[in-house]
Amino acid sequence: NAGVTQTPKFQVLKTGQSMTLQCAQDMNHEYMSWYRQDPGMGLRLIHYSVGAGITDQGEVPNGYNVSRSTTEDFPLRLLSAAPSQTSVYFCASRQQERSNEQFFGPGTRLTVL
Amino acid sequence: GNSVTQMEGPVTLSEEAFLTINCTYTATGYPSLFWYVQYPGEGLQLLLKATKADDKGSNKGFEATYRKETTSFHLEKGSVQVSDSAVYFCALSDRTSGTYKYIFGTGTRLKVLA
Repeated sequence: NAGVTQTPKFQVLKTGQSMTLQCAQDMNHEYMSWYRQDPGMGLRLIHYSVGAGITDQGEVPNGYNVSRSTTEDFPLRLLSAAPSQTSVYFCASRQQERSNEQFFGPGTRLTVL
Repeated sequence: GNSVTQMEGPVTLSEEAFLTINCTYTATGYPSLFWYVQYPGEGLQLLLKATKADDKGSNKGFEATYRKETTSFHLEKGSVQVSDSAVYFCALSDRTSGTYKYIFGTGTRLKVLA
């Protein structure tokens, strides 16, 4: 099992550019989520999905879109990058929404100039 | 609403010193509590968990006890090693408005010196 994988590891964008952060898991988990990690703020939930075809907003969804066409994949799209989106992004999955343990990917470090 | 508060870092210790990282929480229900560890350049990994009051979670020499009366879940280790240098996150999972939400603390960086 590869667990949760994310690509790319690093990315630099210019303001206004768009891009997609990829996330995949091979554990057949129903629940997947995206977090951003900023200094002094811990992890904040951006979007989540309780299963294929179902997504919902988290704490800080503005500027991001998600879709969940398969159980395995949960891409995060930045529509028009802004410097405020400079952060480290983590994808996570768990068996079900009520499951205790979350499994995290290695992260994507994004810089927006 | 639910929240997690943990001590500010960084915490710098010598090898074999005793470690305590404080964590307190606020929750409306009966949350499960967790400690996650993040090593440099990696994602978070579950270190230990406790799902009800008075449970003790333990792993790799780390321990934490779910204290409902003080709403705390402090992380302890009797003798730290250089390899324990990482960022430690306290977290809770609670059912709010029909959904299960994970709330993370801000993280505490631990640096262990040889």
